Amino acid sequence: DIRMTQTPSSLSASVGDSVTITCRASQSVSNFLNWYQQKPGKAPKLLIYTANSLHSGVPPRFSGSGSGTDFTLTIDSLQPEDFATYYCQQSYIDPRTFGLGTTVEIK
Amino acid sequence: VQLVQSGAELKKPGASVRVSCKASGYTFTDCYIHWIRQTPTQGLQWMGWIDPNNGDTHFAQQFEGRVAMTRDTSINTASMELTRLTSVDTAVYYCARDRLRGGDFDYWGQGSLVTVSS
Repeated sequence: DIRMTQTPSSLSASVGDSVTITCRASQSVSNFLNWYQQKPGKAPKLLIYTANSLHSGVPPRFSGSGSGTDFTLTIDSLQPEDFATYYCQQSYIDPRTFGLGTTVEIK
Repeated sequence: VQLVQSGAELKKPGASVRVSCKASGYTFTDCYIHWIRQTPTQGLQWMGWIDPNNGDTHFAQQFEGRVAMTRDTSINTASMELTRLTSVDTAVYYCARDRLRGGDFDYWGQGSLVTVSS
């Protein structure tokens, strides 16, 4: 199985900050890397698919980059509604696997 | 697009559970349905998928022999049944749609809590 490692596991930031979350795959997943946002008690929501494509309705302050094994999710100018947990997921090969998540907290 | 799941379940060890997922707002047979579960300790675990078009399924190895996924195209509903439950299966179970463009899950059900306890 492909292991997805996210760093950091949590971070504190202020409204207006820019934050970057990293996801590393244990082997190449090409560009089959997706990012989700989850708030407590809710289902995950798709933000970015195939590494850098913005899902419909997602604000452009979210962006993704990378290919192969190393990927990043960047949130420019954090908004209050962005405080949540973020997960990466590879869809290159089954079993689909997720990272353990990065929690973005208010400083 | 909406995926609406069945409600919470409380099951005893050794029992089975069936969770349903009713789709609306799109052509049900155009997209795969995946099942993913979430626990505080294991995080998000992918369980498998079903192709509603023909009923083909593919499961994660750890659930092989214990999981079944079915669909009823007359009511646009996919279901997942997990047997021989243990406390480790206590989790929130999600269904999610895959448009087959890159394997992402673009819409998710609201989740169904399954609690396994004697």
